[in-house]
Amino acid sequence: DAKTTQPTSMDCAEGRAANLPCNHSTISGNEYVYWYRQIHSQGPQYIIHGLKNNETNEMASLIITEDRKSSTLILPHATLRDTAVYYCIVRVANTGTASKLTFGTGTRLQVTL
Amino acid sequence: EPEVTQTPSHQVTQMGQEVILRCVPISNHLYFYWYRQILGQKVEFLVSFYNNEISEKSEIFDDQFSVERPDGSNFTLKIRSTKLEDSAMYFCASRVGQLNEKLFFGSGTQLSVL
Repeated sequence: DAKTTQPTSMDCAEGRAANLPCNHSTISGNEYVYWYRQIHSQGPQYIIHGLKNNETNEMASLIITEDRKSSTLILPHATLRDTAVYYCIVRVANTGTASKLTFGTGTRLQVTL
Repeated sequence: EPEVTQTPSHQVTQMGQEVILRCVPISNHLYFYWYRQILGQKVEFLVSFYNNEISEKSEIFDDQFSVERPDGSNFTLKIRSTKLEDSAMYFCASRVGQLNEKLFFGSGTQLSVL
């Protein structure tokens, strides 16, 4: 699976959009970009994933650059409850029964008043 | 939204003792996982399980670890003889099937080995 690079930490004011970047310059054509988050040592929570098109769901939007070497997770209106560690994970989808996720160190997002 | 349930939330044990961590995956899910997170470190994959057998395991998952799905609903992780370095938060996870990549995690069991 391709390696990802994320900033160690970021701050965001409540109500503002949080834009979390991820670099994955060695991504392969069949690798997806996944985002999970972990709120204060709870279990990781799935947010969104995509291959090359931008994706949006009720939690967030995922913007993937045309060359697929980087992406941005956007939380449109961050709240205090969005304070968490956000993980960008690149992996091949449907690789068989295992399909494990490999977590890095992620970005610690602090949402402030 | 359906949840993965883990019990107990905290487990304290003496070094050398056996522990069993329990998980109830979401009912229609077919793929099951255990991860662990040592305090301040990354979330690490331990093992995946499908069709009543281990699909993949990490180097961490040595002979002291075993998994079982004894009754079609529970999914357990057993550590036969705990070590101090087994102290960690253990997360169970499950997903529906091979084409659905969304992994659901439980809230974890904090294991403390004294």
